[in-house]
Amino acid sequence: GPKVLQIPSHQIIDMGQMVTLNCDPVSNHLYFYWYKQILGQQMEFLVNFYNGKVMEKSKLFKDQFSVERPDGSYFTLKIQPTALEDSAVYFCASSPYWGGSYEQYFGPGTRLTVL
Amino acid sequence: SQWGEENLQALSIQEGEDVTMNCSYKTYTTVVHWYRQDSGRGPALIILIRSNEREKRSGRLRATLDTSSQSSSLSITAAQCEDTAVYFCATDQGGSAKLIFGEGTKLTVSS
Repeated sequence: GPKVLQIPSHQIIDMGQMVTLNCDPVSNHLYFYWYKQILGQQMEFLVNFYNGKVMEKSKLFKDQFSVERPDGSYFTLKIQPTALEDSAVYFCASSPYWGGSYEQYFGPGTRLTVL
Repeated sequence: SQWGEENLQALSIQEGEDVTMNCSYKTYTTVVHWYRQDSGRGPALIILIRSNEREKRSGRLRATLDTSSQSSSLSITAAQCEDTAVYFCATDQGGSAKLIFGEGTKLTVSS
């Protein structure tokens, strides 16, 4: 089936540094998402994105977070500066249609460890 | 069951047994997604049931939805070892494109 790729699979950085997580969504999908999952806990929505704009974001999407998809390349999540509580697995997802009644295709995740 | 402040729940069964996982949600949803997540991988949709459906089947999977009690269930018939995974329900809060996930149920099927 359609695959979403995420790079890197693991990232370890020092608190205060900037990190960029990369997502290669399914090629014909127009809607993109980031979710955060702390080990052993539920997946939590961060943000969704369409046509160059953030459509919805949660309270977890702090001011230090930003997303973009320049020129149809990777969909990125940037955290600057990072904090200890940002340690989690971040999942990217994409979908061909807007709305929660359509399947979102998830990538394998990027495990971020902030020291 | 999922939701609320409880941690990831765990179920252990033997191969061949049937199992049901429950999910309750707090706000109106147009659909309930059931995802499975294998260790080290992202969630994958296994069944989606819409608010106008009471039951949906896919192979050995059966999902139910009761909108009046705001609850859904996922049943697996004759579970197999490869069904071992974490299962999440997710809702869309009335059609929003952000999915709200439950805590998940860790299912272990042993031979």
